[in-house]
Amino acid sequence: GAGVSQSPRYKVAKRGQDVALRCDPISGHVSLFWYQQALGQGPEFLTYFQNEAQLDKSGLPSDRFFAERPEGSVSTLKIQRTQQEDSAVYLCASSPTGALNEQFFGPGTRLTVL
Amino acid sequence: AQSVTQPDIHITVSEGASLELRCNYSYGATPYLFWYVQSPGQGLQLLLKYFSGDTLVQGIKGFEAEFKRSQSSFNLRKPSVHWSDAAEYFCAVGATGGFKTIFGAGTRLFVKA
Repeated sequence: GAGVSQSPRYKVAKRGQDVALRCDPISGHVSLFWYQQALGQGPEFLTYFQNEAQLDKSGLPSDRFFAERPEGSVSTLKIQRTQQEDSAVYLCASSPTGALNEQFFGPGTRLTVL
Repeated sequence: AQSVTQPDIHITVSEGASLELRCNYSYGATPYLFWYVQSPGQGLQLLLKYFSGDTLVQGIKGFEAEFKRSQSSFNLRKPSVHWSDAAEYFCAVGATGGFKTIFGAGTRLFVKA
């Protein structure tokens, strides 16, 4: 496909379970971002990759959150021991160049932790 | 620290009427400014961006925004709203030399016939 894709689109987890969210950016895009969007709020920055290098992870809320992009394309956001407050939509975006340019967003993964 | 304020949680406009969505930012230097739109079931889409130069920027779908440094504002405008413009609008700011984009909480636009 031509756009950013994310899978799964919906994920229900029991509290304490680990989850993995996948992002397929637009082919050739250098930059990749993860955001968390709570209900009624704007996207909140989690982390940024430039190719395979994670250059900023200051937005990850705790050490239960981990992101990787080992080959500079597909990225995975992993949340360990999920908590109810992790329930949100997780958005992935990619950009063809540096961080401060147009970002192309995926549809998001809606995570519900019971 | 950078921040973005969108004072209006929601706005209702009649179809054909003009629209202005407010955005105020906090940042020490000249910021990179963006407006994104999020339609139901759709990903966020860039409407327009300001990096430097002419302070009035034109975007897609007939939108424009004006950067006013003295007011720390970047308001979005459209002269005539269409029903299809009903969506959530987000103002965002990025810092020179940084990687983060900070989004406002959004303004939901309702369009009445």
